[in-house]
Amino acid sequence: KNQVEQSPQSLIILEGKNCTLQCNYTVSPFSNLRWYKQDTGRGPVSLTIMTFSENTKSNGRYTATLDADTKQSSLHITASQLSDSASYICVVSDRGSTLGRLYFGRGTQLTVWP
Amino acid sequence: EADIYQTPRYLVIGTGKKITLECSQTMGHDKMYWYQQDPGMELHLIHYSYGVNSTEKGDLSSESTVSRIRTEHFPLTLESARPSHTSQYLCASSERGSTYNEQFFGPGTRLTVL
Repeated sequence: KNQVEQSPQSLIILEGKNCTLQCNYTVSPFSNLRWYKQDTGRGPVSLTIMTFSENTKSNGRYTATLDADTKQSSLHITASQLSDSASYICVVSDRGSTLGRLYFGRGTQLTVWP
Repeated sequence: EADIYQTPRYLVIGTGKKITLECSQTMGHDKMYWYQQDPGMELHLIHYSYGVNSTEKGDLSSESTVSRIRTEHFPLTLESARPSHTSQYLCASSERGSTYNEQFFGPGTRLTVL
């Protein structure tokens, strides 16, 4: 069964600190992995997208890594800001269908305190 | 921010009422999707469309129906709302043939059925 598991479920950090969120997946055949940020009451917004051949990708203070062999990804947030408080969702796409089906994790709820 | 819109943003309605959730996008995307998301849970695909006059059911069984008469418009209808339909509904779209099948999400409609 294709699954995406994220950890931790929730995380509280102080403003200015760094943090790392984890994602493990079993989706096969793998196409790409993306991290989304979802603010409360809003739709998800894409942060990074990585294919099989990409090990790391950055978007400002967000850096995602991918190990396709172990089927693990991480999202590292540097120098956190209050506006980083949101749910971060790991999403994996398969290449076995014309739809390009997406498999969603439940997200990590990040809270940044001043 | 993506040009995809959902109305209403919030809806509180009594059991048995018929409701239609609106979704429109101005990007000319062929593919459109409806997801259902409960608090702390992953997004579940309930409907999708490859283009005009194309609609398919997703992974999660839903009593809702959809239509796609125009490329930019993908409304979702519940003929008789029940408390079990209380959830957040997210609409998304993507471009046919895009490399990553990146989906752009609307802000969502939070539905509460009393």
